[in-house]
Amino acid sequence: GQNIDQPTEMTATEGAIVQINCTYQTSGFNGLFWYQQHAGEAPTFLSYNVLDGLEEKGRFSSFLSRSKGYSYLLLKELQMKDSASYLCAVLDSNYQLIWGAGTKLIIKP
Amino acid sequence: ETGVTQTPRHLVMGMTNKKSLKCEQHLGHNAMYWYKQSAKKPLELMFVYNFKEQTENNSVPSRFSPECPNSSHLFLHLHTLQPEDSALYLCASSQSGQGAGGEKLFFGSGTQLSVL
Repeated sequence: GQNIDQPTEMTATEGAIVQINCTYQTSGFNGLFWYQQHAGEAPTFLSYNVLDGLEEKGRFSSFLSRSKGYSYLLLKELQMKDSASYLCAVLDSNYQLIWGAGTKLIIKP
Repeated sequence: ETGVTQTPRHLVMGMTNKKSLKCEQHLGHNAMYWYKQSAKKPLELMFVYNFKEQTENNSVPSRFSPECPNSSHLFLHLHTLQPEDSALYLCASSQSGQGAGGEKLFFGSGTQLSVL
């Protein structure tokens, strides 16, 4: 079967750095997405990785290792508004999106 | 501002009621989706429409009936639901629905459905 694993919940301090991990076992791989979802709001696109390595977008970076079936989302200089759920999703060989259950990130002052 | 609008935001219904969820996208996209989101569970894809044609039905019970009259509008008709159907129902759209090249989804804020 296909599976995406990510921690259920994480807590971090304002101004710090946090890394949210995502591991996957899927039938093929055509890219990995990260989405952010604030409580009661729509998920919004953060990043897409299809090649190995780190991609940086401001305070957020996303890393991919295809050989390890592993990705992480790195959030720097955390702000209170970063409190949200972070969803990892993999596009499999049939271009179907396989979703993780999401990681709820709690930022404390 | 996501460009995808869902109504109503909240809905409480009895098991014998009939109701409809509405989704409208203002992005000029050709693909629209219904997802179910339950607490601490992955998003579940329910239906996909490409150019108004249903291209996917993920073994969804017949008490959920989708309708896509045009590329901008999507409905989910609900009847004789069960309490376990209580969840957040998300609508999304994408440019082509082909999935390749990192095509991203644009989501609405969802309808929080409670079935009593």
